[in-house]
Amino acid sequence: AQKITQTQPGMFVQEKEAVTLDCTYDTSDPSYGLFWYKQPSSGEMIFLIYQGSYDQQNATEGRYSLNFQKARKSANLVISASQLGDSAMYFCAMRGFNTNAGKSTFGDGTTLTVKP
Amino acid sequence: SQTIHQWPATLVQPVGSPLSLECTVEGTSNPNLYWYRQAAGRGLQLLFYSVGIGQISSEVPQNLSASRPQDRQFILSSKKLLLSDSGFYLCAWNSGSANFYNEQFFGPGTRLTVL
Repeated sequence: AQKITQTQPGMFVQEKEAVTLDCTYDTSDPSYGLFWYKQPSSGEMIFLIYQGSYDQQNATEGRYSLNFQKARKSANLVISASQLGDSAMYFCAMRGFNTNAGKSTFGDGTTLTVKP
Repeated sequence: SQTIHQWPATLVQPVGSPLSLECTVEGTSNPNLYWYRQAAGRGLQLLFYSVGIGQISSEVPQNLSASRPQDRQFILSSKKLLLSDSGFYLCAWNSGSANFYNEQFFGPGTRLTVL
């Protein structure tokens, strides 16, 4: 079984500052992938970044980076230079190599509010 | 490029009425398809997934059913809606090869309110 825990229901950050959104996971799969999605108020789910369990380096995509600590089973999302448009709900998700049909497990999300 | 469509975008239905939500994917073949429900302010709950035409797996017992009549069409249905069926319904797909590094792509969602 897989489990994703996001312990921060809500976070605030000042515009142009960096923010870290926490994600811890649990799985028995030796190989897995970790994903972050952004959900603005419109409701669409936007894929942000992916980290594979065997990747040696932390993933980065523009202003997004993933702080992957495998021993601690954490995959925190770091957003640098926050913008007002970053205000949204953020979901951490994972999929194990042995997971049937590529199903993903999602956390309950963190609502990020960027203040001007 | 691949696109995923859902309709309707919003729906208000009385308790006890039937439901049909449709999802179609373009630009790919043999995708894995998923239906999720999201309660207000909460995460995504996987309802159904399908790896091929006519192949449906249910994740949770509920008042809903799903069908996949064509390769790129996924339908969520109910014969009689309950108040608890209200929520935001998201359809998603990923590559049929289902490698664990394949992200899921989501449709725009349907907001269902049952009164």
